[in-house]
Amino acid sequence: GAGVSQSPSNKVTEKGKDVELRCDPISGHTALYWYRQSLGQGLEFLIYFQGNSAPDKSGLPSDRFSAERTGGSVSTLTIQRTQQEDSAVYLCASKIGGGSYNEQFFGPGTRLTVL
Amino acid sequence: AQSVTQPDIHITVSEGASLELRCNYSYGATPYLFWYVQSPGQGLQLLLKYFSGDTLVQGIKGFEAEFKRSQSSFNLRKPSVHWSDAAEYFCAVGAKSSGDKLTFGTGTRLAVRP
Repeated sequence: GAGVSQSPSNKVTEKGKDVELRCDPISGHTALYWYRQSLGQGLEFLIYFQGNSAPDKSGLPSDRFSAERTGGSVSTLTIQRTQQEDSAVYLCASKIGGGSYNEQFFGPGTRLTVL
Repeated sequence: AQSVTQPDIHITVSEGASLELRCNYSYGATPYLFWYVQSPGQGLQLLLKYFSGDTLVQGIKGFEAEFKRSQSSFNLRKPSVHWSDAAEYFCAVGAKSSGDKLTFGTGTRLAVRP
């Protein structure tokens, strides 16, 4: 796989359930970002991982949201007790890191629908 | 905090006509500026970026953008639009001081008339 992959592509869940969204970054990319794209809000930054550094969680909208990155590669975004306002497309991006000039490559996203 | 404004939500142009999509940013220092395109059902693709140097930057698919510090703008242009350019376009600003996370505008949806 040459690009960033995300799974599932679509997820429908009931209000109050927990969901996990997965991101496989491009091999060798040390930086990983999660963004959310929702109607009326545009694209919002959620969380950022860079190597072994502590993640930047400044964009997480509530404590129901969390993310981890295992082994410096795959990342999982978890949303607990989902609410209808969590419905959005969740995008993951990765970057080689070590320089702002490097491009962030985006995955196709996971469309989350909370009923 | 940085912010981006894309004042045009929808734009329709005829195929072959020129295009300019507006982007204004707010950031205290020299920003890093990007234009991304999102086609239906597709992820975001980088069109071009500005970091420093020449204020007119060339990108893929025949797009260019000009950084104007005095106007806090980074407008995207194309001299002749093709039907395949119909998509949503996002301007974004990044900053090294904030881990290069991107702040996006709300996007401009481009429709192309045959």
